[in-house]
Amino acid sequence: DAKTTQPNSMESNEEEPVHLPCNHSTISGTDYIHWYRQLPSQGPEYVIHGLTSNVNNRMASLAIAEDRKSSTLILHRATLRDAAVYYCILRDVSGGGSNYKLTFGKGTLLTVNP
Amino acid sequence: IAGITQAPTSQILAAGRRMTLRCTQDMRHNAMYWYRQDLGLGLRLIHYSNTAGTTGKGEVPDGYSVSRANTDDFPLTLASAVPSQTSVYFCASSPLPRGQASTEAFFGQGTRLTVV
Repeated sequence: DAKTTQPNSMESNEEEPVHLPCNHSTISGTDYIHWYRQLPSQGPEYVIHGLTSNVNNRMASLAIAEDRKSSTLILHRATLRDAAVYYCILRDVSGGGSNYKLTFGKGTLLTVNP
Repeated sequence: IAGITQAPTSQILAAGRRMTLRCTQDMRHNAMYWYRQDLGLGLRLIHYSNTAGTTGKGEVPDGYSVSRANTDDFPLTLASAVPSQTSVYFCASSPLPRGQASTEAFFGQGTRLTVV
C-alpha cells in the first residue's frame, strides 16, 4: 500500500484557516487521496477525497499538487469542534476494488486554541 | 438512517472467553472492515470483506475471525480472548469503487473491549 507522511501535530487559533499537509511521493495513478478525521471518543468520519483536481465541500477544501505527490487539507475557519486527529489516506480503485482497503497512519493531531 | 451500528458499546471480558462483536449497516455497502485502535498505534485493519461471502486478512488478523453471510452484517469473533486484545474496535463500511470513482467510508461509534 502506498504510504503517506503527515506532521504529528499542528496548532491553530479559532476562526483562522488551517492547512494540513500530507506527502505521498509513491502514489500511483489509481490512488485517490482521502481525508478522514477522528474527534475525541468517536469513530473516524469522512472529510473529503480527490484524484487530481482540487475539491471543495461544506467541511473543507483539498488542494492536490500537480505531480500528486502531496496534498493539503484546508479548513477555512477553524472552530473548537475541528480539534481532532486528521488522517490522509490513499485508496486504490484499480481492479474493481480488489485492493480497496483503508489503511490509516498516525495522522495529525490538530489543536484549536480559543 | 442508522448507518452503522456496533454492539455492545463496551464490554469487560474474562480471558479465555469467546466474544462476538456485532456490526450491522443499512446502506447496502459491499465492503466492510474491522479495525482496532490502541493508544499510540492508531487504527489497524484486522479483517475486511469486499462482498458477501468473501473475507480477507488485514494487518493484525491473529486471534480474530470474521464471517460475511449477508451484505448487512459483519461480526468479529474472538475465539479465546487475551488481555492484549483490550482495545477499541471500529467497524466501517464503504461502497466499492463506482467505475474509477472512489467512495467514502462510514464508521461505527466503536466497541470498547477490556479483557481481564
